[in-house]
Amino acid sequence: KAGVTQTPRYLIKTRGQQVTLSCSPISGHRSVSWYQQTPGQGLQFLFEYFSETQRNKGNFPGRFSGRQFSNSRSEMNVSTLELGDSALYLCASSLGPYEGNTIYFGEGSWLTVV
Amino acid sequence: GNSVTQMEGPVTLSEEAFLTINCTYTATGYPSLFWYVQYPGEGLQLLLKATKADDKGSNKGFEATYRKETTSFHLEKGSVQVSDSAVYFCALYNYGQNFVFGPGTRLSVLP
Repeated sequence: KAGVTQTPRYLIKTRGQQVTLSCSPISGHRSVSWYQQTPGQGLQFLFEYFSETQRNKGNFPGRFSGRQFSNSRSEMNVSTLELGDSALYLCASSLGPYEGNTIYFGEGSWLTVV
Repeated sequence: GNSVTQMEGPVTLSEEAFLTINCTYTATGYPSLFWYVQYPGEGLQLLLKATKADDKGSNKGFEATYRKETTSFHLEKGSVQVSDSAVYFCALYNYGQNFVFGPGTRLSVLP
């Protein structure tokens, strides 16, 4: 079956703009989590959604937000982009926090802020 | 809280050398333990996992044993190849909680 799909794969934005990234989980998976990966900070947890509800949130400013739809697809949004937001944004899906203990990652969305 | 510590590297080895990447964890209860691998320009892929003490996960020649007494899950491979060059992440999962990842270890294998 298809894996986790993230779109777009690459994008370039200007400081001050906003961006929306999309994630389609593996069929049947209801939990989606987002991570930011940068060379200096490693892999940092952004948030997790399950059944359209945010379960957990990492230590990021309010400019970072997300949502999950009834079909489990998820989007994350970053407003008022800063240069430091340049990163690889990874989405991962799983059956659910109480139903499975393995998460599967997408290929990621490479965001460059200029 | 839960945490994962692993050697950050980079680790540079010659082809066919023996690989060990250390991983230790702190967690309550009985977490599941994982190794993920990230090849250049790609997302993370599950390499292997173990769900209870003394379990051994294995895949593609890599192995790791869940040692509860030493809270460790060290990754080993007997003979590395150039194609194993990647970043390796140790991770843990506790029931109902988030995954927790280590900082990653970059491995470079030279021909």
